[in-house]
Amino acid sequence: DMKVTQMPRYLIKRMGENVLLECGQDMSHETMYWYRQDPGLGLQLIYISYDVDSNSEGDIPKGYRVSRKKREHFSLILDSAKTNQTSVYFCAFLQGKGNSDYTFGSGTRLLVI
Amino acid sequence: GDSVTQMQGQVTLSEDDFLFINCTYSTTWYPTLFWYVQYPGEGPQLLLKVTTANNKGISRGFEATYDKRTTSFHLQKASVQESDSAVYYCVLGDGGSNAKLTFGKGTKLSVKS
Repeated sequence: DMKVTQMPRYLIKRMGENVLLECGQDMSHETMYWYRQDPGLGLQLIYISYDVDSNSEGDIPKGYRVSRKKREHFSLILDSAKTNQTSVYFCAFLQGKGNSDYTFGSGTRLLVI
Repeated sequence: GDSVTQMQGQVTLSEDDFLFINCTYSTTWYPTLFWYVQYPGEGPQLLLKVTTANNKGISRGFEATYDKRTTSFHLQKASVQESDSAVYYCVLGDGGSNAKLTFGKGTKLSVKS
């Protein structure tokens, strides 16, 4: 089965600290995503990565940056975390090769205090 | 820009009840439409998708018809079970590559036994 691995599952950080969320996939899929999920808002797209070092802002990129140095790994970085970045973060990949389905990870639950 | 509207934030039913979740969309192109389902503690997973207008998608007893005239993609199930309790997202894919998905805000379904 194609799989997305997100680490860590739970994270508590203080305001102003740097945060690194990691995502891995096992099939060399090209296109990967970071979303955040908040109650009543659904999922909002933060960044898209089309391949190594080929990243594009999504709908809510402010306060975030990403890194993709290997196709299998896509990281989300919060420089100086803010309390309004408390959320659940999901990584996903597009299955591609004519298949438009996404596979999501199980999420990282981030609390910024 | 693209948008998806789910007016029902929460639906509560009893087992064997009929389910109807409303979804309408707005876009300037010819999208693929999806329903994703999210169980507690997990990421969203694909329930069904329809790529062509006036076609119906069917999966696990759920069905949705892509109605281009009314720009709707309502989800239905004849008889729900407690195991169907989850959050359901209506999702719009951006046409050809579906490299970008736009999510509705989600409808939380609770089914009582």
